[in-house]
Amino acid sequence: QVQLMQSGLALRKPGASVMVSCKASGYSFSAFGLNWVRQAPGQGLEWMGWISPINGITKSAQNFQGRIALTADTDTAVAYMELRSLVFDDTALYYCARDFSQSPVGLPAYWGQGTLVSVSS
Amino acid sequence: EIVLTQSPGTLSLSPGERAILSCRASQSVPTNSFAWYQQRPGQAPRLLIHGTSTRAPGIPARFSGSGSGTDFSLTIARLEPEDFVVYFCQQCFGPPYTFGQGTKLE
Repeated sequence: QVQLMQSGLALRKPGASVMVSCKASGYSFSAFGLNWVRQAPGQGLEWMGWISPINGITKSAQNFQGRIALTADTDTAVAYMELRSLVFDDTALYYCARDFSQSPVGLPAYWGQGTLVSVSS
Repeated sequence: EIVLTQSPGTLSLSPGERAILSCRASQSVPTNSFAWYQQRPGQAPRLLIHGTSTRAPGIPARFSGSGSGTDFSLTIARLEPEDFVVYFCQQCFGPPYTFGQGTKLE
């Protein structure tokens, strides 16, 4: 079955960067897009970006442009999300989530367990 | 950016009743690009409905979706105790692929 295993808790100071990994299994990694979605404590869902592993094409929300980098390694079936210049408001649970199908893209259906990123001085 | 506004913010009902949750988009969204999610406390969201009205695999038949253009709805026919959680709508028409702010069913 489709599984997405994310890296663990990340504690960072303001101004630092964080990289979250997402290891995929149970399906052809190259065949489906991956979304990154975050959820601040007690808040709703915020779509951050999407990557096509097969060709590296990415889309990202305006809020994160210039600060976010999405990559995917098809050899290891691991996707990465790097967020730079962290601020306190970046404290959130970060999810990777595979697209439901090849079309439409941007429809997260299979979710990782989430990675808590905490930004504190 | 397409803004999705869900209503009501909180819906108070009893088991066995019918729930209707609404989501309004700031611009028209194709029906194949609209979805609903359920999120239980401490869990990742779960895809309920995609393509406006198609249930995701394993989703009970009491969940149904409808709508077009800018107005979409999720109906839960007969509420079960485990349905009293939070629901989000989402569009995947144009990036950013935005979510609504959520409706809490209590």
